[in-house]
Amino acid sequence: NAGVTQTPKFQVLKTGQSMTLQCAQDMNHEYMSWYRQDPGMGLRLIHYSVGAGITDQGEVPNGYNVSRSTTEDFPLRLLSAAPSQTSVYFCASSYVGRGYGYTFGSGTRLTVV
Amino acid sequence: GQQVMQIPQYQHVQEGEDFTTYCNSSTTLSNIQWYKQRPGGHPVFLIQLVKSGEVKKQKRLTFQFGEAKKNSSLHITATQTTDVGTYFCAGRRGGGADGLTFGKGTHLIIQP
Repeated sequence: NAGVTQTPKFQVLKTGQSMTLQCAQDMNHEYMSWYRQDPGMGLRLIHYSVGAGITDQGEVPNGYNVSRSTTEDFPLRLLSAAPSQTSVYFCASSYVGRGYGYTFGSGTRLTVV
Repeated sequence: GQQVMQIPQYQHVQEGEDFTTYCNSSTTLSNIQWYKQRPGGHPVFLIQLVKSGEVKKQKRLTFQFGEAKKNSSLHITATQTTDVGTYFCAGRRGGGADGLTFGKGTHLIIQP
């Protein structure tokens, strides 16, 4: 049981480049989300999804796109990378409902130069 | 929007001392969750509190949810080096279909 798998673990981009961060879970969780973690800022929600075909914006969605075509996958796309997007990105999933904690992936450390 | 404040930001303790972190929300929460993140790692779910005034224990860790469901605390008795990390609280207003709002975390540093 792999849990939540994020790829890549590390990435360096040049300003203006685009890329997709991958997230996959094998727990049949309906809920998936993306957070970014910056020093002193905690975890901030970027986008989330409560099921295939359903996505919504979180606290800091600008510059990011998501889609949810399957229950298992929830990729995060950076449209035109900026240095302000240098961060550690975490994908998290859970069952929908207030009784469940999140399972986090191991993170992607992204540097934009 | 909803805000979750957590204090202190950093806490240095001697091994064996107790540790407490506090979490306050600007709005009433339907539930609150606690997570631990080891240095270089990812957040790991510890526990969820749902009921007003609820108290739960996990070995040396005690979690409390306030009567008004706007604040919470985590207390660790007799800290050990394995307790090092950042502890986050996370609140949710609704029934589960919206995202968790995380506090900024408390970094626990333990001196042997």
